[in-house]
Amino acid sequence: GAGVSQSPSNKVTEKGKDVELRCDPISGHTALYWYRQSLGQGLEFLIYFQGNSAPDKSGLPSDRFSAERTGGSVSTLTIQRTQQEDSAVYLCASSGRLGSTDTQYFGPGTRLTVL
Amino acid sequence: DAKTTQPPSMDCAEGRAANLPCNHSTISGNEYVYWYRQIHSQGPQYIIHGLKNNETNEMASLIITEDRKSSTLILPHATLRDTAVYYCIVRLLMNYGGATNKLIFGTGTLLAVQP
Repeated sequence: GAGVSQSPSNKVTEKGKDVELRCDPISGHTALYWYRQSLGQGLEFLIYFQGNSAPDKSGLPSDRFSAERTGGSVSTLTIQRTQQEDSAVYLCASSGRLGSTDTQYFGPGTRLTVL
Repeated sequence: DAKTTQPPSMDCAEGRAANLPCNHSTISGNEYVYWYRQIHSQGPQYIIHGLKNNETNEMASLIITEDRKSSTLILPHATLRDTAVYYCIVRLLMNYGGATNKLIFGTGTLLAVQP
């Protein structure tokens, strides 16, 4: 079946501009996660959704970062007034039904470059 | 912080078994051992997970010591396409709704399969 998809695959933007990154989780998955991987760094957690609510936003690095999820499906990560240090690969993962096994499956990521 | 330690790199000859060790001496009774891998420029790929029994699937085998303080991921016949960074992660299995089951990635082991 279809896996997690993310768009765009690559995004180049200028410092100060806003960007939106999209994640389409596996159909029926209730949990959705955003992670970030900076050059030469490990993967770091950003935010977790259960349905449309976000019980854990502890990984968002600043108030320039926000995310929403609608219809319990698609999620959008928005970065306002981008900075060069925001350059990274942004990864989305989804996992199964509440109470089920919670194996997370990742999308291919969006590579963001801030000039 | 990651709750696991792994060697930073390993080599393996093509066609031979690759044995990747992981120490998780502080693992708690309800935490599982998960393995993911990340091939260059791709999102992390789920491999296998286990609690205390050895597990096998089409990709790999997972051997967990009786005291659960360490484990070994075995790729029985490594190919060049298995060259990747392998991450060992300990975490709760179940999706409890409000509880974040975020993955905490360490630095992993870079497995280089040699022709």
